[in-house]
Amino acid sequence: NAGVTQTPKFQVLKTGQSMTLQCAQDMNHEYMSWYRQDPGMGLRLIHYSVGAGITDQGEVPNGYNVSRSTTEDFPLRLLSAAPSQTSVYFCASRRDRDEKLFFGSGTQLSVL
Amino acid sequence: AQSVSQHNHHVILSEAASLELGCNYSYGGTVNLFWYVQYPGQHLQLLLKYFSGDPLVKGIKGFEAEFIKSKFSFNLRKPSVQWSDTAEYFCAVNGYNKLIFGAGTRLAVHP
Repeated sequence: NAGVTQTPKFQVLKTGQSMTLQCAQDMNHEYMSWYRQDPGMGLRLIHYSVGAGITDQGEVPNGYNVSRSTTEDFPLRLLSAAPSQTSVYFCASRRDRDEKLFFGSGTQLSVL
Repeated sequence: AQSVSQHNHHVILSEAASLELGCNYSYGGTVNLFWYVQYPGQHLQLLLKYFSGDPLVKGIKGFEAEFIKSKFSFNLRKPSVQWSDTAEYFCAVNGYNKLIFGAGTRLAVHP
């Protein structure tokens, strides 16, 4: 049981470049979400999904897009990277709203 | 809008001291409440959660939290901390499908 698989682990981008962070889970969880973690700011919710075909914005959605075509996958797209998007990104999933989150291993992203 | 506030950003304690970390939230409806812990270099782990019933919730490693609805609070407590409790602690609130985290409290426990 792999849990939540997140790739890549590290990425360096130049300002203006685009990229996709991949996230897949094999636990048949309906809820999936993307967070960014910055020192002193905790985890901030970027986007979330409560099932295939359903996505919604979190606290800091600007500059990011998501889609949920299958239950398993929830990719996060950076359309035009900016230095303010330098952060550690976590994908997480859970079975239901009162259940604990399962986290991916994180992506450390630097935008130069 | 849903939000979470953790008042203590850094806490330093000696071993065997008692711990209380504050968490207040704002949300008008029914909430589920969580405390997570992040040890250095590791993922967040669930300490405890509340979604209904007894407002005093017991979690792993001797931690407990009390939900006080009238104060919109969910404070984390431990009677006697250990050096191994050194970590960052996050309160989280689930309103309508959104799980929002507080900014975290860094706890350092000295032997």
